[in-house]
Amino acid sequence: TQLLEQSPQFLSIQEGENLTVYCNSSSVFSSLQWYRQEPGEGPVLLVTVVTGGEVKKLKRLTFQFGDARKDSSLHITAAQPGDTGLYLCAAYDYKLSFGAGTTVTVRA
Amino acid sequence: NAGVTQTPKFRILKIGQSMTLQCAQDMNHNYMYWYRQDPGMGLKLIYYSVGAGITDKGEVPNGYNVSRSTTEDFPLRLELAAPSQTSVYFCASSLTRLGTDTQYFGPGTRLTVL
Repeated sequence: TQLLEQSPQFLSIQEGENLTVYCNSSSVFSSLQWYRQEPGEGPVLLVTVVTGGEVKKLKRLTFQFGDARKDSSLHITAAQPGDTGLYLCAAYDYKLSFGAGTTVTVRA
Repeated sequence: NAGVTQTPKFRILKIGQSMTLQCAQDMNHNYMYWYRQDPGMGLKLIYYSVGAGITDKGEVPNGYNVSRSTTEDFPLRLELAAPSQTSVYFCASSLTRLGTDTQYFGPGTRLTVL
């Protein structure tokens, strides 16, 4: 079973600041996904990355897949309170395996 | 489309009681999943189904059972509830099992076993 490690576990920042969260593993992935989960809700897919070195942008969110396809990062520019939530990375083996997540709190 | 729906939203059980968590999807997805989410532990797969009549165990199946009689419904049965089953349970569905496919999650059921 591949292990996905996410860091940091918690992140609290002021509105307007930037943040980066990381997802790492010793395994090589064919693809990796990022989900966001708001309190009391199920996770919602943000993005899927499939190519080593790939960079995808979703408004103020930038996702990067490492060249070796073992790691990924999510960068948020000028964070807003609406970005508050649990960010989960997930990678597929015979099943979708999730990291433990990073809880992001953006203070107004 | 309602997507993936789950009932109930909250439930408190006594040790040894049984219950069924309901899950339904209206997207005609063949693949359905049950996860549990514990604080700081991410999502763990309990059971999954690749179509009506076909189910298989995930990482943490002990103490649970599932059935899939229709494409739409995938109930999760807890027999003899234990405090270790206190968790938030999520049902999900997807069109395929490709790693690039989207899993659509329900809103979850928060279960407490006392």
